[in-house]
Amino acid sequence: GQQLNQSPQSMFIQEGEDVSMNCTSSSIFNTWLWYKQDPGEGPVLLIALYKAGELTSNGRLTAQFGITRKDSFLNISASIPSDVGIYFCAGHPHMNTGFQKLVFGTGTRLLVSP
Amino acid sequence: DSGVTQTPKHLITATGQRVTLRCSPRSGDLSVYWYQQSLDQGLQFLIQYYNGEERAKGNILERFSAQQFPDLHSELNLSSLELGDSALYFCASSVDQASAQYFGPGTRLTVL
Repeated sequence: GQQLNQSPQSMFIQEGEDVSMNCTSSSIFNTWLWYKQDPGEGPVLLIALYKAGELTSNGRLTAQFGITRKDSFLNISASIPSDVGIYFCAGHPHMNTGFQKLVFGTGTRLLVSP
Repeated sequence: DSGVTQTPKHLITATGQRVTLRCSPRSGDLSVYWYQQSLDQGLQFLIQYYNGEERAKGNILERFSAQQFPDLHSELNLSSLELGDSALYFCASSVDQASAQYFGPGTRLTVL
């Protein structure tokens, strides 16, 4: 089945630094979604992307749907301590028919030092 | 607040017992999804309903079942519980199966 390779696996940065993480796949995706999950909490949708090449911002977060439809990145600018958490990419793989199960990346654990 | 509600937030029970988890989707969403997340693991898709009908099954055990009611809320029934069923159970909803899913706060199930 489809897999999403997410990198880096973890990041430890200083407050104020910019962060970049990405997801890649060997197959085409119709949507790319980015979530943040705090321990014991539900994933929170950060950004949803539906078109190849689409670049969308949500405050200090920016994400792009890769033009090949096989990748996406998420940037966080000027990180703050509350950015700490696990970030997941997810996407709906392209299928001609049938159920498009949401596929999740393995997550990027972000730690921010004050 | 995603608009998806789940009850209860915590559930502690014994092996062999049966429990029911409840989910109310966001207003206007017809699709409901159930996921299981074990400690430090990823989200495992269990089952999807759309407007009251089962649409897809993932890694759902035969001891587990779900349904979506006419008012679109959904329940996940877990029976003959085992220690390994201890996990976070999330419900998510979306307008349709190609749209972004919004997750609820989860139910933490502990089986003793």
